[in-house]
Amino acid sequence: NAGVTQTPKFQVLKTGQSMTLQCAQDMNHNSMYWYRQDPGMGLRLIYYSASEGTTDKGEVPNGYNVSRLNKREFSLRLESAAPSQTSVYFCASSSGGSKNIQYFGAGTRLSVL
Amino acid sequence: KQEVTQIPAALSVPEGENLVLNCSFTDSAIYNLQWFRQDPGKGLTSLLLIQSSQREQTSGRLNASLDKSSGRSTLYIAASQPGDSATYLCAVRSDYKLSFGAGTTVTVRA
Repeated sequence: NAGVTQTPKFQVLKTGQSMTLQCAQDMNHNSMYWYRQDPGMGLRLIYYSASEGTTDKGEVPNGYNVSRLNKREFSLRLESAAPSQTSVYFCASSSGGSKNIQYFGAGTRLSVL
Repeated sequence: KQEVTQIPAALSVPEGENLVLNCSFTDSAIYNLQWFRQDPGKGLTSLLLIQSSQREQTSGRLNASLDKSSGRSTLYIAASQPGDSATYLCAVRSDYKLSFGAGTTVTVRA
């Protein structure tokens, strides 16, 4: 029962470095999402993919890119990391439909120095 | 733009007391509202989902109400236990996307 798996769990980067956060789900869900969580601000949507082959910007997309590699995998890339991108990143997936319950991964804690 | 607010930001109660957590949202055109639990260093776990046509939803000691017209939801946790200590977030679905509140951090004292 893996659900939504995120890698890595922790990462420290220097300003200007790049990295890719990986996310995979084994629930055959159509939709996948990337959020960031900052203290006192709740989760904010970065990008989402309603179905394989499509991606759309969320509330805070600047500085990020995404790839929906296949139905299972949705990656988030930071091309040139900035200290403002220090955050906890969560990936989620959902099957769609009237309820569209989202299931979350355990998160990636990223620090940019 | 949907704004979701949760007050208070933190709450501490003795074991056995009932918990009342509040959530308000600005745009009543929603599909549903979810309550999540988040433990420190962990992801989010869905507790209850209320469709826009429903007034309440129950699961064990948890009961969530929804008043869409006034933009409010309340999560009740009966007879709190130390294991209920966590952060509780509400999220409103307006289309594909969820808009989250910042959460209420609950501490239940033994």
